[in-house]
Amino acid sequence: DQQVKQNSPSLSVQEGRISILNCDYTNSMFDYFLWYKKYPAEGPTFLISISSIKDKNEDGRFTVFLNKSAKHLSLHIVPSQPGDSAVYFCAAFDRGSTLGRLYFGRGTQLTVWP
Amino acid sequence: DGGITQSPKYLFRKEGQNVTLSCEQNLNHDAMYWYRQDPGQGLRLIYYSQIVNDFQKGDIAEGYSVSREKKESFPLTVTSAQKNPTAFYLCASSQVPLDGYTFGSGTRLTVV
Repeated sequence: DQQVKQNSPSLSVQEGRISILNCDYTNSMFDYFLWYKKYPAEGPTFLISISSIKDKNEDGRFTVFLNKSAKHLSLHIVPSQPGDSAVYFCAAFDRGSTLGRLYFGRGTQLTVWP
Repeated sequence: DGGITQSPKYLFRKEGQNVTLSCEQNLNHDAMYWYRQDPGQGLRLIYYSQIVNDFQKGDIAEGYSVSREKKESFPLTVTSAQKNPTAFYLCASSQVPLDGYTFGSGTRLTVV
């Protein structure tokens, strides 16, 4: 049973425009959320995170928005660049849990074209 | 530089053979994890360990085994009981309490 869902397997955006990647979760105990970026044949790298006490976190071109009531978060990339083309994974966990593991979505393949 | 190292990057094995994937970290992290990536399936947790000499099954542990004899090392054995072993395997580590993972660069296992 997937507790973190990324319903769009792929997204194609023109260079310079905004990319919006979406993520939904079902577990109301999740209180920390992360986005990872992954290139082919490489390990994922951390991109940005947000705690449930916030509704927005910004880092350069990347902004993550959290809507707790809707159990939804989104990653905005502005402006999009060809080097942003990668698979983006949304992840979540409950900081109070003893399990100590992340729950991942299935990923969204972002393609930024010139 | 601190990091997490997976070796080898590519591995080929014959069907029916066991194979062990290496994962070593020098980040002084207590917790380590093994994930498998398949097209369209995302990252699925195989096993994880939060402390030396202890580990827990993840979501798809069948056909795999692990050991955690040292804090720095968390090898994964893919046994002949694993029905579809061909995949990209990722190792990760984290501090305890968890605040996110650091991933290795992965091992591509192909069983022929």
